[in-house]
Amino acid sequence: DARVTQTPRHKVTEMGQEVTMRCQPILGHNTVFWYRQTMMQGLELLAYFRNRAPLDDSGMPKDRFSAEMPDATLATLKIQPSEPRDSAVYFCASGSPGGLSSYNSPLHFGNGTRLTVT
Amino acid sequence: DAKTTQPNSMESNEEEPVHLPCNHSTISGTDYIHWYRQLPSQGPEYVIHGLTSNVNNRMASLAIAEDRKSSTLILHRATLRDAAVYYCIYTGNTPLVFGKGTRLSVIA
Repeated sequence: DARVTQTPRHKVTEMGQEVTMRCQPILGHNTVFWYRQTMMQGLELLAYFRNRAPLDDSGMPKDRFSAEMPDATLATLKIQPSEPRDSAVYFCASGSPGGLSSYNSPLHFGNGTRLTVT
Repeated sequence: DAKTTQPNSMESNEEEPVHLPCNHSTISGTDYIHWYRQLPSQGPEYVIHGLTSNVNNRMASLAIAEDRKSSTLILHRATLRDAAVYYCIYTGNTPLVFGKGTRLSVIA
């Protein structure tokens, strides 16, 4: 089965450091989503892309978070500078094979990057 | 944000059928109903989705009420591996917004 691959699986860093999380979507999927999960807030949508163009990043703190898709096989989420409140599991998901409706075709999630900021 | 109402938790015996309910009284005519589940330490996993008719796949069945204000995810024979948080979501032209879901425990 094709999978969404996220790296690293775990990241521990100190407050103030830059963090980069990477996602390889499933080949042929044209929509990529970033979600964040914490115990308090559950799963929150941070940003999403279609055909590598950002569609909405209103869920992200703009001053420190940035999301990009340098090419169709790589999506990145950066935090600079990181803060303890950014500690969470960050999930990437891809969907819409062959350009099907972005919102009504199944999403495939990676297993996440668990970020701990001390 | 599209809102659904699900019980916080449910329990089932292994090998028994499980019916997970979901209320979505504000659903519109073009919104699809989606179910995902999240196993421990994993990302959410697609289970099933539908619009009006009942749907079946290898994982589960989805029964949609005639007025579409509620739906039920049916696991025909629960196994220990089905213990997870199950999310019911409806959406038409916006990304999936996850609520708190139902935590399903399966007892051997």
